[in-house]
Amino acid sequence: GIQVEQSPPDLILQEGANSTLRCNFSDSVNNLQWFHQNPWGQLINLFYIPSGTKQNGRLSATTVATERYSLLYISSSQTTDSGVYFCAVVIWKTSYDKVIFGPGTSLSVIP
Amino acid sequence: DAGITQSPRHKVTETGTPVTLRCHQTENHRYMYWYRQDPGHGLRLIHYSYGVKDTDKGEVSDGYSVSRSKTEDFLLTLESATSSQTSVYFCAISGGGGGANVLTFGAGSRLTVL
Repeated sequence: GIQVEQSPPDLILQEGANSTLRCNFSDSVNNLQWFHQNPWGQLINLFYIPSGTKQNGRLSATTVATERYSLLYISSSQTTDSGVYFCAVVIWKTSYDKVIFGPGTSLSVIP
Repeated sequence: DAGITQSPRHKVTETGTPVTLRCHQTENHRYMYWYRQDPGHGLRLIHYSYGVKDTDKGEVSDGYSVSRSKTEDFLLTLESATSSQTSVYFCAISGGGGGANVLTFGAGSRLTVL
């Protein structure tokens, strides 16, 4: 099956710093999502990004499907950015969308 | 949480007792999913539904059953809870296969089986 890898596994940033999180996947996929799991456990959609680049405030994401990777950029990090960031690849099946999650990148932003 | 409500949010129960978790959506989405999240295992699919009364197994379905009698409700039942089912359970919804669907999660239900 498809393998999804994320790097780095852990990241500690000073508030205000920028970072890049990477997601690699081993085969073609139909779509890709980025999620943020905050310290309270909520899973929040960040981006739905099969290809190209999207931006939302201080966050942006780029997916290069042909090279099987996606990047999540966090600029001017804030303590509220702390948590775990998951990428999830989506494969369309007949009766459902199969979603395979990466292991996550744990981000801690310190004041 | 984008029209998804999970209940209960926290439950402590004893081994051998039945437990039902409820997922309710107001988005009229066709697809509903139950995941469990455990340290070291990430998110794993338990069961999913692609319509009323249409359900199927995911990768970790043993010990769980589901039902969907209405579009808006998807129930996850542990017939006889075991300690290995202590976990955080997430419900998710999406609009349908093959399109620009976004998988959206509920707030989670933390289950502890003693």
